[in-house]
Amino acid sequence: RKEVEQDPGPFNVPEGATVAFNCTYSNSASQSFFWYRQDCRKEPKLLMSVYSSGNEDGRFTAQLNRASQYISLLIRDSKLSDSATYLCVVNSWGKLQFGAGTQVVVTP
Amino acid sequence: SAVISQKPSRDICQRGTSLTIQCQVDSQVTMMFWYRQQPGQSLTLIATANQGSEATYESGFVIDKFPISRPNLTFSTLTVSNMSPEDSSIYLCSVEVGFEAFFGQGTRLTVV
Repeated sequence: RKEVEQDPGPFNVPEGATVAFNCTYSNSASQSFFWYRQDCRKEPKLLMSVYSSGNEDGRFTAQLNRASQYISLLIRDSKLSDSATYLCVVNSWGKLQFGAGTQVVVTP
Repeated sequence: SAVISQKPSRDICQRGTSLTIQCQVDSQVTMMFWYRQQPGQSLTLIATANQGSEATYESGFVIDKFPISRPNLTFSTLTVSNMSPEDSSIYLCSVEVGFEAFFGQGTRLTVV
């Protein structure tokens, strides 16, 4: 079983719609959680950290469910520029574990 | 934050040859990380490079195949040795500042 698992997608989302997807992690002792965004042929960049209480950054909302060992990302009012691969990243004892990414395609 | 300059951005190499990838960071960092990302897959940590000591390799990666140099706190190289088509991948260097990971632009390697 992989340490971090994501639905690869693609999630095809009409512009203006809402999309949400999850990531599950296997190590219950993981300490911190992140969503990174990776554009085609580019390096990953931090989108947002994920806190236990849930957090919001503009149109993006991240949630953490420790009991079920998953994190989620919700994108509201999708823009064409949101098309990318979203990587779930989990920090376990100082080591980053990456999911394979969820591809989101926002269509006009 | 950190800005990392990685080169080359891409290369096509003959099997059996070696390629050295360089990463230069705009600030001093204790650890630098080297990852491999194969198409459609997650980033896999190859090794952690510390200045002044040998790199620490992850399971499945060995120094003879992926020698690493870390001559100072702002620079590191990764060499992919005796390449085979299975080494075709994207290689990324990374540093962590606070809780955030920053990446070089990646080296897209194709071995023919």
